[in-house]
Amino acid sequence: EPEVTQTPSHQVTQMGQEVILRCVPISNHLYFYWYRQILGQKVEFLVSFYNNEISEKSEIFDDQFSVERPDGSNFTLKIRSTKLEDSAMYFCASSPGETGIFEVQFFGPGTRLTVL
Amino acid sequence: GQNIDQPTEMTATEGAIVQINCTYQTSGFNGLFWYQQHAGEAPTFLSYNVLDGLEEKGRFSSFLSRSKGYSYLLLKELQMKDSASYLCAHPAGNNRKLIWGLGTSLAVNP
Repeated sequence: EPEVTQTPSHQVTQMGQEVILRCVPISNHLYFYWYRQILGQKVEFLVSFYNNEISEKSEIFDDQFSVERPDGSNFTLKIRSTKLEDSAMYFCASSPGETGIFEVQFFGPGTRLTVL
Repeated sequence: GQNIDQPTEMTATEGAIVQINCTYQTSGFNGLFWYQQHAGEAPTFLSYNVLDGLEEKGRFSSFLSRSKGYSYLLLKELQMKDSASYLCAHPAGNNRKLIWGLGTSLAVNP
C-alpha cells in the first residue's frame, strides 16, 4: 500500500541553524501538507501546497519557513534559523486532490526535531 | 471561531465497547474526521462523516449530528492495541487545513 515517507526520523540541531525536512508524498497525490505537533499539544497546520505553489499557510509559517518541491517526488520544509520553540514532531501529509476539500489526508511517520 | 473539544483520557477493558465524544464549533462545515495516533507516531485515518448519522467500518463506527455540533467514535471488541490517542479534526472553512482536537488518550486494560 502506498505511503508517505519522511527523512530523517530524528534531527537534532543548534539554535540558529538551518534544517531541511524531507518528505516523499504518495505518488499520484496532488496536495501536500506540513503539520507540526509540539509534545503534549494539538496537531497544528503549517502549510498546504498544490500545483507548485503554496495554497494556504498558517500564522506559524512565517518568513523563517519555506517549502519546495525540487523534483517530481520530494517535498521539503526548510526552517532557516531554528528557535527553541521549533522543537516538535513535523508531519508531512498528502491527499489525492480529486474530491474537493473533504478528502482524507495521509500522514508520514514524522520527523522529530530537537533544537538545542 | 473554530474549536474542538474531546475528553482528555478514557479507560476501558479489553473486549468492551467505548464511545469517545467530540464537540466542535465552526463557521463552516465540511465534515469531521477521526484519526488514531499511537505515541510518537503519525495520525492514521479511521473514519469520517459528511452527513448526519452513523458510519460503520468494522470495529470502528463514527456518528455525526451537525445541528448539535457533536460526533462520537465507537470502538467495539476492544483490543490492547487500541490503546492510543483518538483525534477528531475538521477542515477549516473552505480550505483543506485540518483543525484538530487535543485528542482522547484511551487506555485499554486486560
